[in-house]
Amino acid sequence: DVKVTQSSRYLVKRTGEKVFLECVQDMDHENMFWYRQDPGLGLRLIYFSYDVKMKEKGDIPEGYSVSREKKERFSLILESASTNQTSMYLCASSLGQGARGYTFGSGTRLTVV
Amino acid sequence: RKEVEQDPGPFNVPEGATVAFNCTYSNSASQSFFWYRQDCRKEPKLLMSVYSSGNEDGRFTAQLNRASQYISLLIRDSKLSDSATYLCVADFGNEKLTFGTGTRLTIIP
Repeated sequence: DVKVTQSSRYLVKRTGEKVFLECVQDMDHENMFWYRQDPGLGLRLIYFSYDVKMKEKGDIPEGYSVSREKKERFSLILESASTNQTSMYLCASSLGQGARGYTFGSGTRLTVV
Repeated sequence: RKEVEQDPGPFNVPEGATVAFNCTYSNSASQSFFWYRQDCRKEPKLLMSVYSSGNEDGRFTAQLNRASQYISLLIRDSKLSDSATYLCVADFGNEKLTFGTGTRLTIIP
């Protein structure tokens, strides 16, 4: 089975801190994605990547950046954390080439205080 | 208007009953559709893909109606373990998925 691993399950950071959320997948998937999930809003796409060193903005990229230096790793960066970035962050990967569906990591619940 | 819309529920259904959810989408160019299941405090997991011809997997049946732009999920003989949030998902192209906000289902003993 594909495994998508997110480095932290729970994280508490202070306003203004730079925050790194790490995601690693072990099945050589081309595509990787970062979502955040909030009650009543569902999952919203922040950034995605179809290849190493490639990144595309999703629907809500403001306040975030990403890095994909290796195929298996996709990092989400909060440049200066704010309280409205308190959320559940979900990383996902997919094989691409018409493959069906995503595999998600178990999520990182980030609280910014 | 959201691209994918679902009734958030909650649906409280007695064990053994049949329950159905619908989901509507606004982009007629949508290419692929899925149902995901998400348990409390867990990540979403793919339940099944949805095809125009219908797709059945045990007690679960998914259907796509392109003319009316909706997809459905039918659960027969519901079990306590079916309690979860069910997410309707559309792929509008390039493998970017758009998620509905989810329908919460609770199966009552």
